[in-house]
Amino acid sequence: QVKLVESGGGLVNPGGSLRLSCAASGFTFSDYYVSWIRQAPGKGLEWISYISSLSNSVEYADSVKGRFTISRDNAENSLFLQMNSLRVEDTAVYYCARDTPDIDVVSAATVAAAPDAHDIWGQGTLVTVSS
Amino acid sequence: DIVLTQSPATLSLSPGDRAILSCRTSQGVSTQLAWYQHKPGQAPRLLIYDASNRATGIPARFSGSGSGTDFTLSISSLDPEDFAVYYCQVRSQWPTFGGGTKIEIK
Repeated sequence: QVKLVESGGGLVNPGGSLRLSCAASGFTFSDYYVSWIRQAPGKGLEWISYISSLSNSVEYADSVKGRFTISRDNAENSLFLQMNSLRVEDTAVYYCARDTPDIDVVSAATVAAAPDAHDIWGQGTLVTVSS
Repeated sequence: DIVLTQSPATLSLSPGDRAILSCRTSQGVSTQLAWYQHKPGQAPRLLIYDASNRATGIPARFSGSGSGTDFTLSISSLDPEDFAVYYCQVRSQWPTFGGGTKIEIK
């Protein structure tokens, strides 16, 4: 069964740090880009970061750039998000999501056949930033 | 940056009704648009990618259309499980979501 499971959320003071993890199973994790996406209370979905298969390409939303760091361990089928200098407005449910296959590691035909979208999501982990 | 505008913000409908949701982008995106369904406490679910392709396991009552800047998600006959929030998303330099349309029970 294809699955993503997030962990590591919790309550943290403003200015504090937290590290989220996402465990992947049921597919070849190392073939895919993966993203972190969040939803603040009462708000919509916000993409915040992605990382390529080989970790050679990463991007961040302006709202988290310089404070959050995405990383992955393909040997452990895991994705991480190190969150520093947390703000009240970072309070949200954080989801990891499978992105597209990476052309650097799979064939062009495989990339073309896959959805150009986030096709697998975890259940999310809640991060609350409050004093 | 591309801005996605979804309308209406809320749709009040009954089971069996047809739902039509709109997503407009501030720049042309060809057909690089996806639609997701999100229910409270659950993971979002991919419905449509590349504007009109149904994702694996998505019922045929869901259909997507459009290209350029104007896109539509249609649900031909609402099932009770379809009452949820729906988001469109484009994939330009980085993924961007619209503000969402909530389909609520009338």
